[in-house]
This record gives sequence, C-alpha cells and structure tokens, in this order.
Amino acid sequence: KAGVTQTPRYLIKTRGQQVTLSCSPISGHRSVSWYQQTPGQGLQFLFEYFSETQRNKGNFPGRFSGRQFSNSRSEMNVSTLELGDSALYLCASSGYGPIGSGANVLTFGAGSRLTVL
Amino acid sequence: AQRVTQPEKLLSVFKGAPVELKCNYSYSGSPELFWYVQYSRQRLQLLLRHISRESIKGFTADLNKGETSFHLKKPFAQEEDSAMYYCALMSFNKFYFGSGTKLNVKP
Repeated sequence: KAGVTQTPRYLIKTRGQQVTLSCSPISGHRSVSWYQQTPGQGLQFLFEYFSETQRNKGNFPGRFSGRQFSNSRSEMNVSTLELGDSALYLCASSGYGPIGSGANVLTFGAGSRLTVL
Repeated sequence: AQRVTQPEKLLSVFKGAPVELKCNYSYSGSPELFWYVQYSRQRLQLLLRHISRESIKGFTADLNKGETSFHLKKPFAQEEDSAMYYCALMSFNKFYFGSGTKLNVKP
C-alpha cells in the first residue's frame, strides 16, 4: 500500500510569492489534514478536508487555504509569503470511523520543506 | 477548549534508565489519545493509542482521567528510542498535538 506522498519535497520562495503544495493520501482514505511544523511551535493544525469539504480549520490567517479533489488528493496554498512561513508542511491522511474503531489514525507524509527568503 | 500539554521540551536519560514523557490534556468528553514519534530523518508515525492498550517497542501509556494525563513510559530506555515524541488528542476528527518532547538516550 503506497504511503502518503507530498510534493514538492523542498522549495525556496521569496517574500510576497505564493506556493502550492500537493498531497496524495493513502488509497481509500478520505480525510486529509495539514500541519505546519516548526522548531519553536511544534505541530500546528492548519485544516482538514473530508470528501472535498473543509471540515476543520486551525488558527491560521486567510493566506493559508486548501482544497480537496474528488480523488481525495489535496492541495494547500499560501499566498503573499512571509519569512515566518518557513516551515515543514506535513500532510496526513486517515480513514474514518467511530471513536474507538481504530480508523482514526493519522498517516503522515514526508513533508514539504518551505524556505522563504 | 481542547489542549494538550507536554511540559518537557527535552528529556535526557542514560541507556537502561526508566523514562516517562509527560502529557496532560484538557477535554470535557471521553478523549481518544495517541502518542506519535518522529525518529531522525523519518516520518512522523503512530507509536500507540490508548484504545489499543498495547505496548509498542516497550512503551506503554495509561490514560488517567482523574489527572487528565496520558504519560508515556518505558522501564529501560534504549539509544534507538532517541526521537521527538508528540502526544495528541482527537476530538470530532480534529487532532490537537502537544509541542513535543525530545528524548535523548545517552550511552
């Protein structure tokens, strides 16, 4: 079973530019969530998509957005990049099931490391 | 509001010593709790979840609802346990992660 695939793995942008990151979940997983990982802040939740709908959203500015396609692949976009956006962006997919079913486990991708100059 | 707190940023122990990584949470209902681990140059991955009541790589974690804690324990640490550990709580399909504890096991 292929894992969660994120592209690109590394990218460098300058302030003011925008960036789009892609995530392909595990086959059959309908939930995709995004996280920002930095040394100082740890893992911070960005948003979660399920069946093409944003189901949950973290406390990030509107410059951060995402979407999910009918095949469950997801993209996130950051516009007007700032230096502080430099981070590892992690995507995770999960199955869906009732509490205690064991389905609600996140499988993470390797991440996209964004550097903003 | 849901919150997960890991009070220690760094924990250093010697090989063979017991280790306990602390995790406290705030949640009004019945939580679903997890420990995730990230070894050097590897992906973040699930270590264990409380509903399974399992022991993985010698680690166990007990949910204490009275103290709202889910501490991760191992009686004898190994050098290969050195990694970043995150405690997480799931509520309505949203995961809340702690800030992580870096475990350093010294030879």
